[in-house]
Amino acid sequence: AQSVSQHNHHVILSEAASLELGCNYSYGGTVNLFWYVQYPGQHLQLLLKYFSGDPLVKGIKGFEAEFIKSKFSFNLRKPSVQWSDTAEYFCAVNGGTYKYIFGTGTRLKVLA
Amino acid sequence: DAMVIQNPRYQVTQFGKPVTLSCSQTLNHNVMYWYQQKSSQAPKLLFHYYDKDFNNEADTPDNFQSRRPNTSFCFLDIRSPGLGDAAMYLCATSSEESGTGFNEQFFGPGTRLTVL
Repeated sequence: AQSVSQHNHHVILSEAASLELGCNYSYGGTVNLFWYVQYPGQHLQLLLKYFSGDPLVKGIKGFEAEFIKSKFSFNLRKPSVQWSDTAEYFCAVNGGTYKYIFGTGTRLKVLA
Repeated sequence: DAMVIQNPRYQVTQFGKPVTLSCSQTLNHNVMYWYQQKSSQAPKLLFHYYDKDFNNEADTPDNFQSRRPNTSFCFLDIRSPGLGDAAMYLCATSSEESGTGFNEQFFGPGTRLTVL
C-alpha cells in the first residue's frame, strides 16, 4: 500500500540549531515529492517540491530537501532554525496522478 | 492574489443537523479536493472533482457529499453530522501539467467543524 512515514512527531529545538525531518515513502514508480508547512492558524503552504533533476531541492525560507531514491526518502533540512519556523510540517507524495499521500506531520517548536 | 477561500472558518452544528461548507478558488485549477483532518493526523482525502467529474474515495462515508456547480466553487455537504465528524475540513486545488502530471496543491485555510 502507498504510504508516507514521518518518524518525528514532535521536535523541539533552540534557535540556530540545525533541523532535519525525516520522510520515507512507499510508492511504486515515479513519484513527485512535496513538503508543506502549516504555521499556527494558517493554511498549508508549499515549502518545496521535487519532480525530477537535481535531487537536492531548495525551497523558501532557507529550507532544502534531498531525494534519495535508493532509500525512498525525502528529508527536509535547514541549517539554522528561527523561532518563526515553529509550525507543523507535512511530507506528501504523488505518482503524477490526482492523489496525494500525506504523512502524519511533524510539529516543530523552536525555542527563542 | 490568486487563492483558495473557505467559508466559514468555524462552523458549529448539532448532531444530525445538515451542514454545508464552501470553497472557492481564483486559480482556475481544474481539480478541487476535500480533505478531513483530525488532530495530529494526516489530511484524509474524501473526494475530488476533476473538472465536473466527481471521484469519491472508497472509504468516504455516504454521509459526505459534494457539489461543484462551476470551476470556481465546490461545496461539502454533511447530511447528518455525527460527533466523529468533528474535524478540520480542508479544500485544495491543483492542476495537471504536461510532463509532470499533477503539480502542487493549493490549500484553503480550512473550516473547523464542531458537532454538539
